[in-house]
Amino acid sequence: KAGVTQTPRYLIKTRGQQVTLSCSPISGHRSVSWYQQTPGQGLQFLFEYFSETQRNKGNFPGRFSGRQFSNSRSEMNVSTLELGDSALYLCASSVTLDGYTFGSGTRLTVV
Amino acid sequence: ELKVEQNPLFLSMQEGKNYTIYCNYSTTSDRLYWYRQDPGKSLESLFVLLSNGAVKQEGRLMASLDTKARLSTLHITAAVHDLSATYFCAVRPGYSSASKIIFGSGTRLSIRP
Repeated sequence: KAGVTQTPRYLIKTRGQQVTLSCSPISGHRSVSWYQQTPGQGLQFLFEYFSETQRNKGNFPGRFSGRQFSNSRSEMNVSTLELGDSALYLCASSVTLDGYTFGSGTRLTVV
Repeated sequence: ELKVEQNPLFLSMQEGKNYTIYCNYSTTSDRLYWYRQDPGKSLESLFVLLSNGAVKQEGRLMASLDTKARLSTLHITAAVHDLSATYFCAVRPGYSSASKIIFGSGTRLSIRP
């Protein structure tokens, strides 16, 4: 069974640019959540999508946005990148209440 | 807002010893998760604890949940180097699948020979 697939794995962007990250959940999983992981702040919840609707949102500025498609694939977008956006972005999918299965993550470096 | 606190944050221990990582949370929940993360890697699910008194074991790791005390423990028995990693507990507050999962800060475990 295929796991959660995140693309790209690594990304280097310049301040002010925008970036789009992609996540394909496990087949049959309708919930997709996104987290930002940094050494200083740990794992911070960004947002969760379920059946194409944003169900939960974390405390991030409006520069961070996401969406989910009818096939449950999700994208997150960060506009006007700042140096502090450098992080590992993790996507996780789930079904019922059994917790998450995480993807390998996208490591974003903003220079 | 839900707070999830782990302690210790760092733990250096010798092979063969036993130790416990603690996870306290601040609101009602009966679903607690433990994950492992190796350096530069993603998170791997270890245990899902679904009710008060739940205990699960896998190899040298055993996790338990006390929902009344809002406390979970991850016990390591006779540690081996391969268990060196960062361990996270995470809590889904309330009783709905619609609530977001909140993670603790993680416990970085280093096991030395």
